[in-house]
Amino acid sequence: GAVVSQHPSWVICKSGTSVKIECRSLDFQATTMFWYRQFPKQSLMLMATSNEGSKATYEQGVEKDKFLINHASLTLSTLTVTSAHPEDSSFYICSARKPVGAGEQFFGPGTRLTVL
Amino acid sequence: GENVEQHPSTLSVQEGDSAVIKCTYSDSASNYFPWYKQELGKRPQLIIDIRSNVGEKKDQRIAVTLNKTAKHFSLHITETQPEDSAVYFCAASNTGNQFYFGTGTSLTVIP
Repeated sequence: GAVVSQHPSWVICKSGTSVKIECRSLDFQATTMFWYRQFPKQSLMLMATSNEGSKATYEQGVEKDKFLINHASLTLSTLTVTSAHPEDSSFYICSARKPVGAGEQFFGPGTRLTVL
Repeated sequence: GENVEQHPSTLSVQEGDSAVIKCTYSDSASNYFPWYKQELGKRPQLIIDIRSNVGEKKDQRIAVTLNKTAKHFSLHITETQPEDSAVYFCAASNTGNQFYFGTGTSLTVIP
């Protein structure tokens, strides 16, 4: 199988604080992980592509200084939302891609972030 | 970059009927096209995928067709059941380095 976990599943924080979300591939090594943002009843918006051992590639319009991504190992990528504001409230989903060819990606369960 | 469009945004069918969802993409370099099913509050689950060297793929009641020339691909669900009700997303990828999703189709199967 291919299991991706995400932690926490739900977080509420005060405006101005930072929140770290972890994404782990539990039974395979993922050289590439993706971070998405999803608003209610909308599609998944790719935020950045995270490659192990190198800097993340951010999509146009995504502030890299606000959404810090670290892919420190082949099984772990983290997304830190810095100085969070209410407009950052969203559902954040990570996915991990198997390293074989154009491998399919497996999604984590998502993290619901609510910024008060 | 890649631009994926998906239609329709909502689709209601009677149980037992077929459902078809269509997507178009813009980047001719895209070569991998997965379809995901997402139930409310849950993660997207891969239901079928197709690569650019194949024109059609079938898995039981689900099939996907790809027209590389026209840059469009479609999801076909036959003999729909209430449990097929969900949001379906198409996606396009170039060698798996980046995935771009369609806007989603909310499918409702009416018993």
